[in-house]
Amino acid sequence: AQSVTQPDIHITVSEGASLELRCNYSYGATPYLFWYVQSPGQGLQLLLKYFSGDTLVQGIKGFEAEFKRSQSSFNLRKPSVHWSDAAEYFCAVGAGNFNKFYFGSGTKLNVKP
Amino acid sequence: DAGITQSPRHKVTETGTPVTLRCHQTENHRYMYWYRQDPGHGLRLIHYSYGVKDTDKGEVSDGYSVSRSKTEDFLLTLESATSSQTSVYFCAISESVNGEAFFGQGTRLTVV
Repeated sequence: AQSVTQPDIHITVSEGASLELRCNYSYGATPYLFWYVQSPGQGLQLLLKYFSGDTLVQGIKGFEAEFKRSQSSFNLRKPSVHWSDAAEYFCAVGAGNFNKFYFGSGTKLNVKP
Repeated sequence: DAGITQSPRHKVTETGTPVTLRCHQTENHRYMYWYRQDPGHGLRLIHYSYGVKDTDKGEVSDGYSVSRSKTEDFLLTLESATSSQTSVYFCAISESVNGEAFFGQGTRLTVV
């Protein structure tokens, strides 16, 4: 069965510091992977996606993610965090003929001044 | 932004009453989804649709039904609302298999 694990519920980083959010997935076939961001009271916005090809993908707002098949991971990174990055981040895998999406439980990012 | 409108945006209802949430899209996307979001659970799939009148259950479908009579509209009905259905409900759309999902702004439902 498909599943996504985000092991960190909350993360606090200082503004200007680097960031890595972890995501592990379980899926039998080639995964289609996504990272979404959600600001309070808002819907989810797509940050980036991996379908195939280059395992390092670039997204919006300076985010990138690296797909590692051997580790079943798709970690999100940003070299320098801004206060506006404070939000909740969700990793997701897209699966099956009907394009269903399975989400992790999310990681809340707090940014210290 | 993808053209997705959820209505209502907020609703308070009493236990035992039926409730219908509406999702309307202007993108002509084939796939539509209803998710609920609860703290610590991320988003969980309630029902999905892969075409007009083609729907199926997701992982948390008990107590919910859906209908899709037109490409643009996907309705979620809580047949008899319970307090455990207090949640934020999100509609999403996707154009094709392996395409990304686009989300609406959500509906906050409180069952008292």
